[in-house]
Amino acid sequence: DAGVTQSPTHLIKTRGQHVTLRCSPISGHKSVSWYQQVLGQGPQFIFQYYEKEERGRGNFPDRFSARQFPNYSSELNVNALLLGDSALYLCASSSYPGTSSYQPQHFGDGTRLSIL
Amino acid sequence: GENVEQHPSTLSVQEGDSAVIKCTYSDSASNYFPWYKQELGKGPQLIIDIRSNVGEKKDQRIAVTLNKTAKHFSLHITETQPEDSAVYFCAARTGGNNRLAFGKGNQVVVIP
Repeated sequence: DAGVTQSPTHLIKTRGQHVTLRCSPISGHKSVSWYQQVLGQGPQFIFQYYEKEERGRGNFPDRFSARQFPNYSSELNVNALLLGDSALYLCASSSYPGTSSYQPQHFGDGTRLSIL
Repeated sequence: GENVEQHPSTLSVQEGDSAVIKCTYSDSASNYFPWYKQELGKGPQLIIDIRSNVGEKKDQRIAVTLNKTAKHFSLHITETQPEDSAVYFCAARTGGNNRLAFGKGNQVVVIP
């Protein structure tokens, strides 16, 4: 079975531009989360979506937005790019959002975003 | 919010020896603790996880132990092999959502 797939794998943008990153979850998974991983650090939570609704948001500015589609795939959008947005953007999927239940998250290989 | 710390930052071991990585967490409400392995150019791969109602879990050469009182959990890798060389991340999930808080990672180097 296919794992979490993300596109594109690499992207180079300049300051002030806008970017859209895409994610397809594991088949049967309905929840998608986005994380930002700066070089040398652990992933940091940005958003969680379930059934097209935002279920959680991390400490990121409003320049970051996301949405989930009826087929459970998701997009992450970042406006007015800054040099500090350079990072690996990871998508993770799970069956459900997970509260007290066991809902492991599985990650894709990410999109490497470089801002010049 | 939850704060997760990992020690040591880098660990070198001889092939065949054991490696242990420790993590501490701050939120006593955290109820799920996964470990991820990340190789160069790849995303984090889930290798083992443990829920707060369990003290220890083992999967072949990998084991995780949890001490809820002290709020720390550890990854144990026995009979290390060169392919175990990678960055390992611990994480904690606070009940109420599936948001994971990650540590900064440990670089494990297995010397042949």
